[in-house]
Amino acid sequence: LAKTTQPISMDSYEGQEVNITCSHNNIATNDYITWYQQFPSQGPRFIIQGYKTKVTNEVASLFIPADRKSSTLSLPRVSLSDTAVYYCLVGEAGNNRKLIWGLGTSLAVNP
Amino acid sequence: GAVVSQHPSWVICKSGTSVKIECRSLDFQATTMFWYRQFPKQSLMLMATSNEGSKATYEQGVEKDKFLINHASLTLSTLTVTSAHPEDSSFYICSASQGLHDEKLFFGSGTQLSVL
Repeated sequence: LAKTTQPISMDSYEGQEVNITCSHNNIATNDYITWYQQFPSQGPRFIIQGYKTKVTNEVASLFIPADRKSSTLSLPRVSLSDTAVYYCLVGEAGNNRKLIWGLGTSLAVNP
Repeated sequence: GAVVSQHPSWVICKSGTSVKIECRSLDFQATTMFWYRQFPKQSLMLMATSNEGSKATYEQGVEKDKFLINHASLTLSTLTVTSAHPEDSSFYICSASQGLHDEKLFFGSGTQLSVL
């Protein structure tokens, strides 16, 4: 099981780009990298998922270096509503039961 | 994206009573659903995996007789907290994926349970 390490908290300001890096040194060949966002008293929400290189969707980008031992979630031009906890998970395709949820990164976006 | 509905959003009950939480996949069929518990400022802890038409798989340390799971259809799973006690007070969340090889999880909005 690939363990992930990410900063406990981060601070930013509206309009800035925020990059949250996650370390997963023992990622396995079949593992994907997935990021979720969670607001207080709500269930997590899928943000983005990738296997290697770069993935971009309408809300974020995910950068994965060639060795896949880390990944960086990039949120462009954050707003106050992006204040949330962001979780990085690593796991084998179709094996959601084995996902380990860490404490995530608590992002605070300030005005 | 896929929608998972969880009900109720919050519930307050007396100690010793049972509480049922429903989790529905609204626009897709979910052969597998997951139930989590989350304490304040803590991460999600997987309690059990709910399989349609078969018995749930419980994680170590989770009492199956206390947390009854029923997954009778491809769109509905229920979690019943039996004989609830104050220490069962927590935020319960369900999730589902769209297929056996779909890695994305879609979560319900969670249920805050408070046992008095």
